Amino acid sequence: QSVLIQPPSASGTPGQRVTISCSGSTSNIGSNYVYWYQQLPGTAPKLIIIKNHDRPSGVPARFSGSKSGTSASLAISGLRSEDEADYYCASWDDSLSGHYVFGAGTKVTVL
Amino acid sequence: EVQLVQSGAEVKKPGESLKISCKSSGYTYTRYWIGWVRQMPGKGLEWMGMIFPDDSETRYGPSFEGQVTISVDKSITTAYLQWSSLKASDTAMYYCARGTDGYYSDWFDPWGQGTLVTVSS
Repeated sequence: QSVLIQPPSASGTPGQRVTISCSGSTSNIGSNYVYWYQQLPGTAPKLIIIKNHDRPSGVPARFSGSKSGTSASLAISGLRSEDEADYYCASWDDSLSGHYVFGAGTKVTVL
Repeated sequence: EVQLVQSGAEVKKPGESLKISCKSSGYTYTRYWIGWVRQMPGKGLEWMGMIFPDDSETRYGPSFEGQVTISVDKSITTAYLQWSSLKASDTAMYYCARGTDGYYSDWFDPWGQGTLVTVSS
């Protein structure tokens, strides 16, 4: 079972806004940054949100991240068909000498 | 351009050993952590560990300590993930990815293309 809890699925029609939650604890999200990765079908993951809410160069502005306490969320505004993918939150966890943890992933379906 | 290129797919029998590789280019190799991530069939991402090429400092995820060995040859900018005795449950896609500099890495990008390891009798 993943340390970071995400809903297994989310969906929306083109143009809608979809939000994915990520719930952690004081040893991970509560004291460290949150990162989000997108994994398109059959490809390697790609980093889309850095340090809670920043976007790497080239990531569309319709992707946004936020964090509050021990939870974080990823929002996709103006949903497009090419956004259909698995999304993973991640954070450093200070327990057990420190290690990186991923959420179980959320499958986003564009209806 | 930063690139990580992984070795090809492997098919092995239980009990066999294996070493897969991840060749990096396009940046100062010794300054950034290299991480390894497992993705079992149809499942999510699991962080296995990471290595800092400059001094070979290595950190393992709790589930992988003692199960695999991460190493590096900085002279050829290549990191490795190694098993001494494979199990069927090691069947998965394995990704390497570049981390940050510093005491530890809390994000990884870009990623290699992945190496599919299949363990079957």
